[in-house]
Amino acid sequence: QIVVTQEPSFSVSPGGTVILTCALSSGSVSTSYYPSWYQQTPGQAPRTLISSTNTRSSGVPDRFSGSIVGSKAALTITGAQADDESEYYCVLYMGSGIWVFGGGTKLTVL
Amino acid sequence: QVQLVESGGGVVQPGRSLTLSCAASGFTFSSSGMHWVRQAPGKGLEWVAVISYDGVNKFHGDSVKGRFTISRDNSKNTLYLEMNSLRAEDTALYYCANNLAGGAPLSWGQGTLVTVSS
Repeated sequence: QIVVTQEPSFSVSPGGTVILTCALSSGSVSTSYYPSWYQQTPGQAPRTLISSTNTRSSGVPDRFSGSIVGSKAALTITGAQADDESEYYCVLYMGSGIWVFGGGTKLTVL
Repeated sequence: QVQLVESGGGVVQPGRSLTLSCAASGFTFSSSGMHWVRQAPGKGLEWVAVISYDGVNKFHGDSVKGRFTISRDNSKNTLYLEMNSLRAEDTALYYCANNLAGGAPLSWGQGTLVTVSS
């Protein structure tokens, strides 16, 4: 069974840059997995940040960007702000119609 | 703008059935694939199922395969999730979401809560 792995937690200083990653338990993530990224704050529905590796959703600030870094999908936040403190999830397409979410990364801005 | 409104959640006993609905507006529903995603209390997101724009192709996650069925009625702009043989571990907030060209979830509803308990 393939598992999608994210860092459980990460901390960044205000104004700093952070790279969150999304990896496979077996193999490398490529654009063929159509990685997407979501932001969720407590009590709220997820918000789509990035689709298909690097397509930013409407209204998402350009300090959020997606890419492939090495063998992982990556979400880069440049110039972190206090309201970026959230849970971040990735999802990957496994083929045959199946999608799998990562366990999420809790980002703290302090 | 895109609006997705889930309904049909509630408290149900283990082994019983429940059907969720998702009313869509603000986009061309009949041209859009749709997902169900759930989130157990205090846990992460779990992908449940996806259906193609025309309802022909349906795929379900391993944890619900054989028990849950995704469907849609394009004449009513509504997505459904029929849930049978419910278990305590199905307790979660269930979200519907559309997708673009068969991709990942894009726009999300606010969710409907399903609690499986005796």
